Amino acid sequence: TQLLEQSPQFLSIQEGENLTVYCNSSSVFSSLQWYRQEPGEGPVLLVTVVTGGEVKKLKRLTFQFGDARKDSSLHITAAQPGDTGLYLCAGDNAGGTSYGKLTFGQGTILTVHP
Amino acid sequence: EPEVTQTPSHQVTQMGQEVILRCVPISNHLYFYWYRQILGQKVEFLVSFYNNEISEKSEIFDDQFSVERPDGSNFTLKIRSTKLEDSAMYFCASSGGWHQPQHFGDGTRLSIL
Repeated sequence: TQLLEQSPQFLSIQEGENLTVYCNSSSVFSSLQWYRQEPGEGPVLLVTVVTGGEVKKLKRLTFQFGDARKDSSLHITAAQPGDTGLYLCAGDNAGGTSYGKLTFGQGTILTVHP
Repeated sequence: EPEVTQTPSHQVTQMGQEVILRCVPISNHLYFYWYRQILGQKVEFLVSFYNNEISEKSEIFDDQFSVERPDGSNFTLKIRSTKLEDSAMYFCASSGGWHQPQHFGDGTRLSIL
């Protein structure tokens, strides 16, 4: 069974601070997806990382996939109140023994105070 | 931007009754999924579906559950005889391929009384 451990579970910071969310596993994933989920809505895809060591940037958000494709991080620079929300990582082993099954982390609830 | 739509947004049902949750995936996607999220817990995979067949299912997806693509646009999840522990948010997702990112609907909140 593949597991993804996401940390921290809760993060409360002031506007302008930087933060990093981690997603770790003992399993190798074909790709890793980061989602953001607002209350009452479904997860919205932010980015997919596929290659070990890959770094992707989305404005102030930087996503990294570990060299061994077992872990990933999301770094937000100069956080803003609009970044407040639930962030989820999800690993995909498609092409291995699964057919698109995503394994989700527990999520990180981020609160950015003005 | 194309999106996955789910109906109803909230379903309240008596224990033992059958429920059908409906999803309209993104129109050019051929790979479909159901996930559920019990309050306070992780999002969990239930089933993946392609070419009118189940491709993979989790241990949660027992004989009480079934999926169907009754026409060219809808994808449904049926729970035959609901239990209290089936209460959860159920999310439908679709993708353009097994290796493609999955796009989620806003979910159906299922409450079993």
